[in-house]
Amino acid sequence: AQSVTQLDSQVPVFEEAPVELRCNYSSSVSVYLFWYVQYPNQGLQLLLKYLSGSTLVKGINGFEAEFNKSQTSFHLRKPSVHISDTAEYFCAVTPHTDKLIFGTGTRLQVFP
Amino acid sequence: DSGVTQTPKHLITATGQRVTLRCSPRSGDLSVYWYQQSLDQGLQFLIHYYNGEERAKGNILERFSAQQFPDLHSELNLSSLELGDSALYFCASSVDLAVNQPQHFGDGTRLSIL
Repeated sequence: AQSVTQLDSQVPVFEEAPVELRCNYSSSVSVYLFWYVQYPNQGLQLLLKYLSGSTLVKGINGFEAEFNKSQTSFHLRKPSVHISDTAEYFCAVTPHTDKLIFGTGTRLQVFP
Repeated sequence: DSGVTQTPKHLITATGQRVTLRCSPRSGDLSVYWYQQSLDQGLQFLIHYYNGEERAKGNILERFSAQQFPDLHSELNLSSLELGDSALYFCASSVDLAVNQPQHFGDGTRLSIL
């Protein structure tokens, strides 16, 4: 079975500072990896995905993530955050099947 | 705007009742997924339909059922409601069966059981 661990439930950061949101997964088979963002009172929106190939994936809104197979990690990074990045971020995996398995989410709070 | 429409946005009902949540996928999307988001369980996959047929089940209770109609809209039926069913229910759609395709989420239906 697969599982996803988001190590930080909350990450506070000041505006224009860099941020890293951590995600580790467990799977005995290869997986596809995703990061989604959920703004208040909205559904989830895809930030980026890793399917294969280059381990550094660039997404929307200046976010990027790096797939590390040996460490089974897929951490999300942004070099300079904005107030508007305040949201809940979810890491998800799928073992090439129908369903997405989500982590518990990390709340990013950006302060002025 | 994801293009996925969920109605109603809010539902308040009592224990033992039955409700129906509706989802209209993005134009052209054949796959519909249902998820439950609650404080204690997080975001859980419930069920997946593709072009009218059930494809996969996740952590869906027997009291819950879903279907996808010929026009591709989907309904999630929740019966014999319990307090613990209070949650945000999301629908998502994608183009086809390929799991590498992004899922586009609606804004959810917030269900409150009194």
